[in-house]
Amino acid sequence: AQSVSQHNHHVILSEAASLELGCNYSYGGTVNLFWYVQYPGQHLQLLLKYFSGDPLVKGIKGFEAEFIKSKFSFNLRKPSVQWSDTAEYFCAVAGTYKYIFGTGTRLKVLA
Amino acid sequence: DTAVSQTPKYLVTQMGNDKSIKCEQNLGHDTMYWYKQDSKKFLKIMFSYNNKELIINETVPNRFSPKSPDKAHLNLHINSLELGDSAVYFCASSQRTGGNEQYFGPGTRLTVT
Repeated sequence: AQSVSQHNHHVILSEAASLELGCNYSYGGTVNLFWYVQYPGQHLQLLLKYFSGDPLVKGIKGFEAEFIKSKFSFNLRKPSVQWSDTAEYFCAVAGTYKYIFGTGTRLKVLA
Repeated sequence: DTAVSQTPKYLVTQMGNDKSIKCEQNLGHDTMYWYKQDSKKFLKIMFSYNNKELIINETVPNRFSPKSPDKAHLNLHINSLELGDSAVYFCASSQRTGGNEQYFGPGTRLTVT
């Protein structure tokens, strides 16, 4: 079955700490991979995406993600988080017709 | 210019009523979606339309009926509202079907009392 798993449901970090959010997927065939962010009270916005090429992709606000095909993973990282990164983060996988979101990870950054 | 807009932003209504949410995108995209986000922030796709044609219809009660008068609009009509329908409903669009980036609207918070 096609699915996206985000292992961390809630993450609490202090400012300047490093962040890594896990995302694993199960999907047959070629996929495109995304991370979206939802700030409190706002709509989802694209953080970064991977279609092909360099498996390490850089997004907005200092975020990056690495696609590891052998592990079916697309983990999100940021070396030093800020209070303003407090938000819900969603991993998504898309194939020809199907777009699947993970259950989200709620990140709280303490000032 | 707002890329994907939804109206209304908030909707409070009583059980048993019928309500509609409207969505418009000015990005020239071919594909539009409706998602439901529950109180735990879980995002679930409900419908997807491509050029006014329904292409995805997940397991959604038939009280929910989408309508796409043209490819820039995708409205959602809900009959006989129930308490469990309370959620935030997001409209989104993408250039075409498949693995493209989606652009989301601001959401409509529906509260059924």
